[in-house]
Amino acid sequence: QVQLVQSGAEVKKPGASVKVSCKASGYTFTSNYMHWVRQAPGQGLEWMGIINPTGDSTRSAQKFQGRVAMTRDTSTSTVYMELSSLRSDDTALYYCASVKGHDGWYYFDYWGQGTLVTVSS
Amino acid sequence: QLVLTQSPSASASLGASVKLTCTLSSGHNNYAIAWHQQQPEKGPRYLMKLNSDGSHNRGDGIPDRFSGSSSGAERYLTISSLQSEDEADYYCQTWGTGIQVFGGGTKLTVL
Repeated sequence: QVQLVQSGAEVKKPGASVKVSCKASGYTFTSNYMHWVRQAPGQGLEWMGIINPTGDSTRSAQKFQGRVAMTRDTSTSTVYMELSSLRSDDTALYYCASVKGHDGWYYFDYWGQGTLVTVSS
Repeated sequence: QLVLTQSPSASASLGASVKLTCTLSSGHNNYAIAWHQQQPEKGPRYLMKLNSDGSHNRGDGIPDRFSGSSSGAERYLTISSLQSEDEADYYCQTWGTGIQVFGGGTKLTVL
C-alpha cells in the first residue's frame, strides 16, 4: 500500500533552517507530484508548495517565496522541504501530500504522518 | 477569489447520521472538492473527491458510510451510522492551476 513516511520532530532556534523529508513507497514515485502543507497548533491546513515528479520544477505559495526550497531524490523516492529564516510562528506540523496527474493541481490522495517543527529560543 | 467555508463545529449521536457542509465562493459553483478526515493526533486522510454533480470517488478503504452530495455551491459529506472513531476534524479542499485551498475545518463531536 502507499505510504509517505516523514522524518522525526525537530527543534530549531529562530533564524535557523529546517529540512524535512518524506519517503514514498507503494507507488511509482516519478508519476506523482508532491505538495507540502502545514498546520499551526490548533489551526487549519495551509498549503506551502509543490514539486513536480522529476524535481525540476517547484512552486510555492506567495507567503513562503524566498524561504522554502523543495527537492526530490528519485533514487531513494524521497522529497525534501527546507524552510529557512525560521520564526516562532513557523512552529507547526508539516505534512507531505501526493497528487497523481493533472499537473499536480488536483486532490491530495495520500498524506504523510506529519513532522513537528518547533521554533524556540 | 477561491474560498471554501465550513462551520467550525457539528455534533451528532452515536449511530445517527450527520451532514457536513462546505461552501464554495461565488462564481465557483462548478468546482470539485475533496474531503479529508483528521482524527485526533493524526495526519489527514483522504476520504473522497466530490464533483459538482454529486458523483464521488471514495479513497482506498473508506467505508460506504461516508457519502457525498452537491447542490449549487454547497458540497456535503454525510456520515451514517456514526461511530466513536468518526470524531475528528473534517476539511474540504479544492484546487486550481497554481492554487490549493482548504476550508477552515469542521470539528465533529460524536455524542
